[in-house]
Amino acid sequence: NAGVTQTPKFRVLKTGQSMTLLCAQDMNHEYMYWYRQDPGMGLRLIHYSVGEGTTAKGEVPDGYNVSRLKKQNFLLGLESAAPSQTSVYFCASSPAETGTYEQYFGPGTRLTVT
Amino acid sequence: AQSVTQLDSQVPVFEEAPVELRCNYSSSVSVYLFWYVQYPNQGLQLLLKYLSGSTLVKGINGFEAEFNKSQTSFHLRKPSVHISDTAEYFCAVRRSNTGNQFYFGTGTSLTVIP
Repeated sequence: NAGVTQTPKFRVLKTGQSMTLLCAQDMNHEYMYWYRQDPGMGLRLIHYSVGEGTTAKGEVPDGYNVSRLKKQNFLLGLESAAPSQTSVYFCASSPAETGTYEQYFGPGTRLTVT
Repeated sequence: AQSVTQLDSQVPVFEEAPVELRCNYSSSVSVYLFWYVQYPNQGLQLLLKYLSGSTLVKGINGFEAEFNKSQTSFHLRKPSVHISDTAEYFCAVRRSNTGNQFYFGTGTSLTVIP
């Protein structure tokens, strides 16, 4: 099993450009999450999904959109990138069964917006 | 509102010495507690978790943590650290009334000195 994978690993954007980050998991997990990690701020939840076709806002959703068309994929979109969106982005997934709850993380995508 | 507080942003410790990384949380409902480790340029890996039962939980790599409900704490400990323990450590909380959202602390950078 590959676990949680993220594409791309690195990206540099100019202000105003758009891009989509792809997260894929092969563990048949129901829940998927997008976080951003900034120095001194830990991980902050951007959006999450509790199942195929459903999404919800997290703590810092502004400037981002997401889609979960397939259970195994969770896409994070930036329509018009801003320098404040320079960050490391992590995707995570977790099973729905009670008694587990832990999240499994991808390796991250380092995004720089100039 | 900050749900998770990691009081120490950086902890230097000599090799083979004991270490404690502190985590406090705020919640009026029951919680599930986690510690994750992040090695340089990698995603997060689960060290240990508390869901219920015994308040002392043991994790991978010789780490353990104790859930203290009265003090709302979940401190991470290791009796003897190794160079390879140098990493960023994150405490996380999932509250029983917030569905599938996790809240992360700002992280503690552990540096083991030879």
